[in-house]
Amino acid sequence: GQQVMQIPQYQHVQEGEDFTTYCNSSTTLSNIQWYKQRPGGHPVFLIQLVKSGEVKKQKRLTFQFGEAKKNSSLHITATQTTDVGTYFCAGQRNGVEYGNKLVFGAGTILRVKS
Amino acid sequence: KAGVTQTPRYLIKTRGQQVTLSCSPISGHRSVSWYQQTPGQGLQFLFEYFSETQRNKGNFPGRFSGRQFSNSRSEMNVSTLELGDSALYLCASSLADREYNEQFFGPGTRLTVL
Repeated sequence: GQQVMQIPQYQHVQEGEDFTTYCNSSTTLSNIQWYKQRPGGHPVFLIQLVKSGEVKKQKRLTFQFGEAKKNSSLHITATQTTDVGTYFCAGQRNGVEYGNKLVFGAGTILRVKS
Repeated sequence: KAGVTQTPRYLIKTRGQQVTLSCSPISGHRSVSWYQQTPGQGLQFLFEYFSETQRNKGNFPGRFSGRQFSNSRSEMNVSTLELGDSALYLCASSLADREYNEQFFGPGTRLTVL
């Protein structure tokens, strides 16, 4: 079945350092979505990437979707303590049979030392 | 707009019992998906309901079932509970009238099986 691998599992950075998490899907995706989950919270949608090679920015966050629509990355510039949480990528496939199903990566836990 | 609500928020059951969890989606959202989140397996898709029909199903045993009502509210049921069913159960709603759209997660129901 479809799998989405995400690395690293953990990242502990000093405040002000950059952070990157990577996702790789075993199948071509129709789109990839990114979610953030704070400790004790629930996943909150960050962004959706649809087009091959797409790059989107949200303030200090940069999201990329690979040319083959199988991999993606999230880069945070100059991390802040408010960035703490687990970042998940989640892939969707084309086709009515897949509906709205999201296949999640295992997530990257980000800790920021101030 | 009110967010996705889930009840109950916490539940303690014993092995062999059955449990029903409820999810009320955001008004106007017709798709409701259920996910199981555990430290070991991460976020795993259970099933999706759209217009009262199960549109997609993950790889869970038949003890896990669900339904959706005409007002889009959804319930999931787990029968003959096992210790391994202890998890955070999240439901997510989306518009699902376009191919690509974000999913809004509820706060989850924390199920503990003793």
